[in-house]
Amino acid sequence: EAQVTQNPRYLITVTGKKLTVTCSQNMNHEYMSWYRQDPGLGLRQIYYSMNVEVTDKGDVPEGYKVSRKEKRNFPLILESPSPNQTSLYFCATGTGRYEQYFGPGTRLTVT
Amino acid sequence: GNSVTQMEGPVTLSEEAFLTINCTYTATGYPSLFWYVQYPGEGLQLLLKATKADDKGSNKGFEATYRKETTSFHLEKGSVQVSDSAVYFCALIRGGGSNYKLTFGKGTLLTVNP
Repeated sequence: EAQVTQNPRYLITVTGKKLTVTCSQNMNHEYMSWYRQDPGLGLRQIYYSMNVEVTDKGDVPEGYKVSRKEKRNFPLILESPSPNQTSLYFCATGTGRYEQYFGPGTRLTVT
Repeated sequence: GNSVTQMEGPVTLSEEAFLTINCTYTATGYPSLFWYVQYPGEGLQLLLKATKADDKGSNKGFEATYRKETTSFHLEKGSVQVSDSAVYFCALIRGGGSNYKLTFGKGTLLTVNP
């Protein structure tokens, strides 16, 4: 079964404590990306990756890092989380401009 | 820049009513167009897509036609069910470029009452 998985699904943490949200896909897609969803602001792209070792900034990359060492995995790293990073995060993967699939989401609260 | 405008919600319908959610877009080149659906507490699911002008995407009774002349991609369903209650997002990926970023509309909340 084609899947995009994210972990954890829910996380409450404190300001400054480094965290990683994992994303994994089993569809052998080259393209992966991260979005955050906020009320009133909609969905905004954080980072994307065209292939292994190829990543680039999206619209709101500040405070985030990513890595792409394997095709199937694309973790999102918050080195020093702040309350304004409280959000719902989605990983997406796909064949590019023809279709993209989203993970189930990670709800992050930073206090 | 690229943008998607969809009708403001919320939309409340009775079961078996006809649904239309309007979506218009602004984009360079020839974008691909999508409708995603988000059920409460869940992620976004791809509902349907169209990748070139005059294409009709369809799935689960929903359909939308890529109209380049009116830059529109309206979502329709002939008879909605309570289980269709969700937030619907219109989105595009612009033609060309190396970032296949989805540009989303703000979403339309649909509630279907029995």
